[in-house]
Amino acid sequence: GAGVSQTPSNKVTEKGKYVELRCDPISGHTALYWYRQSLGQGPEFLIYFQGTGAADDSGLPNDRFFAVRPEGSVSTLKIQRTERGDSAVYLCASSEGLAGGYNEQFFGPGTRLTVL
Amino acid sequence: GQQVMQIPQYQHVQEGEDFTTYCNSSTTLSNIQWYKQRPGGHPVFLIQLVKSGEVKKQKRLTFQFGEAKKNSSLHITATQTTDVGTYFCAGRKGGGFKTIFGAGTRLFVKA
Repeated sequence: GAGVSQTPSNKVTEKGKYVELRCDPISGHTALYWYRQSLGQGPEFLIYFQGTGAADDSGLPNDRFFAVRPEGSVSTLKIQRTERGDSAVYLCASSEGLAGGYNEQFFGPGTRLTVL
Repeated sequence: GQQVMQIPQYQHVQEGEDFTTYCNSSTTLSNIQWYKQRPGGHPVFLIQLVKSGEVKKQKRLTFQFGEAKKNSSLHITATQTTDVGTYFCAGRKGGGFKTIFGAGTRLFVKA
């Protein structure tokens, strides 16, 4: 089946604007992760969903960042009052979510966010 | 900041040479995963190690998890140009779901 998809692939916005990034996980995957990756760095954990609930949101940098997964499939990462430092590639990953989370994560292609 | 350290940051090898990247954590990890990211691509899962001292092999790739579950290594024998990319280790602590990635080792292979 299809892999993880993310839209848009690129997003350019101005400082102070609001953005939404979408992730469509692999069908049937109950676990969903959001990461952001800056150039030359590894993915930085933001939030983890098990089903509809955010089981761990300890990686969200501040209250401008929020994510939802209302029906346990598609997830949206929302960033308010964007800042230039938010510029990065935002990656979404999904996994089967079984075995206590010890499953491989399938990553999407990412959304490259540029805040001018 | 990153709590999983990975060295070296870069490695240039001649095709056919071996390559090793090391991953170290200050605290015990419940598991370690390794991912490969090609330039312009996204991370792709390679392997997971869970047990203390575990060793797994995939063709020319050998993965190890330390006895104390604080370090891991990936060794590639006889590199090929297709091995080019960045290799990341990623670990979890305790019963949490937060996955902490290292900064990666970027491998360059000269034909």
